[in-house]
Amino acid sequence: GAVVSQHPSRVICKSGTSVKIECRSLDFQATTMFWYRQFPKQSLMLMATSNEGSKATYEQGVEKDKFLINHASLTLSTLTVTSAHPEDSSFYICSARDFLAGTGELFFGEGSRLTVL
Amino acid sequence: AQRVTQPEKLLSVFKGAPVELKCNYSYSGSPELFWYVQYSRQRLQLLLRHISRESIKGFTADLNKGETSFHLKKPFAQEEDSAMYYCALGPSGSRLTFGEGTQLTVNP
Repeated sequence: GAVVSQHPSRVICKSGTSVKIECRSLDFQATTMFWYRQFPKQSLMLMATSNEGSKATYEQGVEKDKFLINHASLTLSTLTVTSAHPEDSSFYICSARDFLAGTGELFFGEGSRLTVL
Repeated sequence: AQRVTQPEKLLSVFKGAPVELKCNYSYSGSPELFWYVQYSRQRLQLLLRHISRESIKGFTADLNKGETSFHLKKPFAQEEDSAMYYCALGPSGSRLTFGEGTQLTVNP
């Protein structure tokens, strides 16, 4: 199946700094990618839909200035957590759909664990 | 608003026993439902979807629109089935709403 890769898998940063997480579709083109956030022992919460070449669509309650999303190419979307604080510590997961394959299956990255000190 | 409910956070069965993971949904349109599985230290992956009406790894799930349910079933659980299972709902499988998840443990 298709592969979605995230980098870094783990990152620790100081409060107030910004952190960028990359999501790549390795062997297919993804016009749309999705960013989720997962708290320990809880479900995945959709944060935003990343659209190639246009602005991301954020879910209600998600601060767009806090979580900057850029989808500059058909294989790369980035999530930047700006001025990170300890409450931003979480597991961030991206997913993408291979529309050309026609199966409709969403493929998930391995996730990126952010710890803000 | 769309919503997915998985009433059991934890489910424990013995090897060879039947297992059923419950999922109920709320959706105003025609739903597309999925089961995703996450094995220990692995990424989330699709297990099955209702439109395919397939059996994967012995698991099946039937969409019951009257009861708004999409329960996942397997007649004989195996130890390797131990994982976190998420029921998900979404139009065209893209913008998914996930349930809280059920941690299944199959004991030897």
